[in-house]
Parts: sequence; C-alpha cells; structure tokens
Amino acid sequence: ETGVTQSPTHLIKTRGQQVTLRCSSQSGHNTVSWYQQALGQGPQFIFQYYREEENGRGNFPPRFSGLQFPNYSSELNVNALELDDSALYLCASSTEGIRSYNEQFFGPGTRLTVL
Amino acid sequence: AQSVTQLGSHVSVSEGALVLLRCNYSSSVPPYLFWYVQYPNQGLQLLLKYTTGATLVKGINGFEAEFKKSETSFHLTKPSAHMSDAAEYFCAVSEDSSYKLIFGSGTRLLVRP
Repeated sequence: ETGVTQSPTHLIKTRGQQVTLRCSSQSGHNTVSWYQQALGQGPQFIFQYYREEENGRGNFPPRFSGLQFPNYSSELNVNALELDDSALYLCASSTEGIRSYNEQFFGPGTRLTVL
Repeated sequence: AQSVTQLGSHVSVSEGALVLLRCNYSSSVPPYLFWYVQYPNQGLQLLLKYTTGATLVKGINGFEAEFKKSETSFHLTKPSAHMSDAAEYFCAVSEDSSYKLIFGSGTRLLVRP
C-alpha cells in the first residue's frame, strides 16, 4: 500500500510568482487536506477537498486555491507569493471527510522558500 | 473557538526517564484529541487519539495520554524515554462537526544519553 506522496520536496520561488504543489493520496482515500507549517510552529489548516469539492477552508486568502482530481490526487496553488508563504506544506489524506475523527495520513511535505 | 496550548517548546529528559508533554485545549463541545509526532524532514505520524469512551488512551511506541475534561487537558506520557523518541510532538483538537485539525505549536523532545 502506497502512502501519501508529495512533489516536489523542495522549491524556491521569488516574491510575486505562482507555485503549484502536488499530492497523491493514500490508496482508498477520498479526502485530502492541506496544511501550512511555518518554521517553529504547528500546522495550520488551509482547506480540505472531499470527492473533488472544497469541504472547508481555514483563514487563508483566496490566492491559496486547490483542486482535487477524479483519482483523488490534489494540487495546492498559491498566486502572488509573499515572503511569509515560506513554509512546509503538508498534505493529508483520509476517508470520509465529514467524519473528522478518521485518521489523517500525512505526506512528507514540500518545503517552499520565497525569496 | 478551538485552540490548543502546549506548555514548553522544548523538553529535555534523560534516557530511561519519564516523558511528560503537556497539552491543554479549548473547545465548546466535546472534542476529539490527537497527538502527532514529527521526525526531521518527515510528515506527521499519529501516536494516539481520543474520540469517546475510555479516557486513558494507549498509542504506539509505548505512549499514552489521559483525557481530563475537568482540567481540559490531554497530556502525553511515556514511562521510559528512548533515544529514538527525540522528535517534535504536536497536540491537536477537532470537533465532531468540524473537518479540520487545530494544532498546538509543538514541543521538541530531547533525550540525553
């Protein structure tokens, strides 16, 4: 059974650019959540996708957007990058997104650096 | 609003000593509570979770936590620390009707030989 994978592992961008991060969910999982983890802090919820629809969103501006595909993989897009967007971006997959106590399986993350 | 407070950004123990990592939460409804561990350059791994039922929860790698509603706490313990326990530990909360995890700021556990 393949776990959650994310690509790329590291990324360097400059302020104002756009970036796309990718996540492949664990086999059998239909829900993907994205989190931002700034250095020295806990992860913060960005949004969740359940069966290709956004199922909830945290306190992030609209320039953070996402997609979920029919195979339940997902993308996180960030436009107009700012220095504060530098962080580890974590993807987590689970089954039945509306049941919050189902375990979320996390990928290794993508480290984004904005210069 | 939900929130999680982890007391102590760094905790240092000797190998073989008791590990105690503190977590207090704020929630308007009965919460679901979680402890995750993060090793360097890796994602988060679930150690244990409390949803309903028994308030003492046992997890992987010898860790356990007790849900104390009166104290709004969910402290993580392990009787005897091992060098391999050195990592960052995160406490998290979610509510039944919610879809997201709210994390604390984390506690880095250092294990001295």
